[in-house]
Amino acid sequence: ETGVTQSPTHLIKTRGQQVTLRCSSQSGHNTVSWYQQALGQGPQFIFQYYREEENGRGNFPPRFSGLQFPNYSSELNVNALELDDSALYLCASSLARNRGTDTQYFGPGTRLTVL
Amino acid sequence: KNEVEQSPQNLTAQEGEFITINCSYSVGISALHWLQQHPGGGIVSLFMLSSGKKKHGRLIATINIQEKHSSLHITASHPRDSAVYICAVRPLSGGQLTFGSGTQLTVLP
Repeated sequence: ETGVTQSPTHLIKTRGQQVTLRCSSQSGHNTVSWYQQALGQGPQFIFQYYREEENGRGNFPPRFSGLQFPNYSSELNVNALELDDSALYLCASSLARNRGTDTQYFGPGTRLTVL
Repeated sequence: KNEVEQSPQNLTAQEGEFITINCSYSVGISALHWLQQHPGGGIVSLFMLSSGKKKHGRLIATINIQEKHSSLHITASHPRDSAVYICAVRPLSGGQLTFGSGTQLTVLP
């Protein structure tokens, strides 16, 4: 148990819909990163939030957006869902004392299926 | 070409065997992580390395910065070690973690 929780655990949507995924960070952590993991692949970095501001973004279109709240919990929003958005979405929290060596604690993930 | 390559992609071993999983990367890094992912998705951080060698129980991780290569070893493997093992690197340029595709390990009783 890492102390990072995600909801929901599974979700089925249809193409064109919008989805919101939620992540609760480990206590005391001020940084959250979101990743997309397609079947059989490693996670791909979507974006990171540090103290409520976006702190880096991977190669994902603007329809992927996020928020971090004052209690450091976070949301990932995806608009206009496409079939290729079907994946496991992982969040990871960390205490960004040193960006080069911080350990990330991963949540269990949300499995999104887009039909 | 991926910045992080793992081998093998799949590995099946008998209980008790010594296991090695390899990771090669192409960029200068500030740290390398070994992660374990069980069915269902949850990821656990096993090691974070910037040089040398680390040991935790039956797990050993080594890194050779000059050769841009790391290995994860499991001694006296057990069926509960069955999982996907993922290597990830943090570039010196300050970017985010870049992950390998993972090695699926199955340890048979």
